Amino acid sequence: EIVMTQSPATLSVSPGERATLSCRASQSVSSNLAWYQQKPGQAPRLLIYGASTRATGLPARFSGSGSGTEFTLTISSLQSEDFAVYYCQQYNDWPPSLTFGGGTKVEIK
Amino acid sequence: QLQLQESGPGLVKPSETLSLTCTVSGGSISSSSYYWGWIRQPPGKGLEWIGSIYYSGSTYYNPSLKSRVTISVDTSKNQFSLKLSSVTAADTAMYYCARQLTIFGVVPRYYFDYWGQGTLVTVSS
Repeated sequence: EIVMTQSPATLSVSPGERATLSCRASQSVSSNLAWYQQKPGQAPRLLIYGASTRATGLPARFSGSGSGTEFTLTISSLQSEDFAVYYCQQYNDWPPSLTFGGGTKVEIK
Repeated sequence: QLQLQESGPGLVKPSETLSLTCTVSGGSISSSSYYWGWIRQPPGKGLEWIGSIYYSGSTYYNPSLKSRVTISVDTSKNQFSLKLSSVTAADTAMYYCARQLTIFGVVPRYYFDYWGQGTLVTVSS
């Protein structure tokens, strides 16, 4: 099973600042990686797929990069609505398997 | 607009079977481009994929849960269902159903693009 490790667990950032979230795979997943955002009491929302392609309607301040085993989600200028938990998910192993990272909580500094 | 809605008991006793149904509206569960998945999230913890099913009945399960999980589909009702047997307190979680885009090829797409709101299931006597 491919293990996805996200860091840091918690990121404290001031509004308007840049946030950089990392996701590492235990083996190469090529570019077959998605990012999701989850706000309290809500279901996850797809942000990025193919490691770098923004989902429909996603603001340009969100960007994804990386391939192989190292991936980054960058939020260029944090808005109040961006404070949430972010998860990466690999789908390179599909079928038969999908795995999520443990999440990074972006909180207000 | 596609919508998914989970339903089922919110309380299950230890050792019993958890049963949930996801009803899909605004689209057909029989589309060839999608699998339909279950994901859970224990309180305060991260996401765990449980398994996914195709409209034909083809299934894939998380190896860590495979011995206890059954996912089925009813295309006539546009629903798919989850059964998790022999539950313990560790199975207490928010359970989500979601649509899994399924496009094979040079640029594969197998991620979840639509999610239900989730339903909290507590395992307790």
